[in-house]
Amino acid sequence: AQSVSQHNHHVILSEAASLELGCNYSYGGTVNLFWYVQYPGQHLQLLLKYFSGDPLVKGIKGFEAEFIKSKFSFNLRKPSVQWSDTAEYFCAVNDMNSGYSTLTFGKGTMLLVSP
Amino acid sequence: DAGVTQSPTHLIKTRGQQVTLRCSPKSGHDTVSWYQQALGQGPQFIFQYYEEEERQRGNFPDRFSGHQFPNYSSELNVNALLLGDSALYLCASSFLDRDHGYTFGSGTRLTVV
Repeated sequence: AQSVSQHNHHVILSEAASLELGCNYSYGGTVNLFWYVQYPGQHLQLLLKYFSGDPLVKGIKGFEAEFIKSKFSFNLRKPSVQWSDTAEYFCAVNDMNSGYSTLTFGKGTMLLVSP
Repeated sequence: DAGVTQSPTHLIKTRGQQVTLRCSPKSGHDTVSWYQQALGQGPQFIFQYYEEEERQRGNFPDRFSGHQFPNYSSELNVNALLLGDSALYLCASSFLDRDHGYTFGSGTRLTVV
């Protein structure tokens, strides 16, 4: 079975600091990769996704992620965080060989940005 | 607005009871998936419904069952509730099985006492 590891459970940053959240997955076959964000009291929202092509993916709100196949990684980055980025971030993977579009999520990283 | 509507938003039940959670998918979506998010964990896949049939199931016991109606809405039923079933239950809808364009609802917070 697949697994997704997110390295940091809690991250605290000051505004304007750079962000990088780590994500590694266990499956070696063809995968689709996702980052979701959950703002306090809100539903999960898609930040960005990787299916194929350019391994550097740009998402909403200035976020980007880089797929490194050799490292089974899909790290999320943002050059300069804002207070409004305070949220929980989830990495997820879909095993394309499963035949179904179900997602395996990591445990999440809680990001707190102080003003 | 999430586009996916779940009800109720909060629920408290006693061990051994049964519960039914409801989900209305985003307009135009025909596939519904259910996830369980325990405190401090990421969402875990329970099962997925398409064309009123369960298409895939995660590692959850038979106490968890579901249904999809002709209008694509769905129910999640849990029998013989355990304390460990306390979690946020998320519904996600999409159009066609492999679209990967999931829209999540805000969830139902179930507390079992």
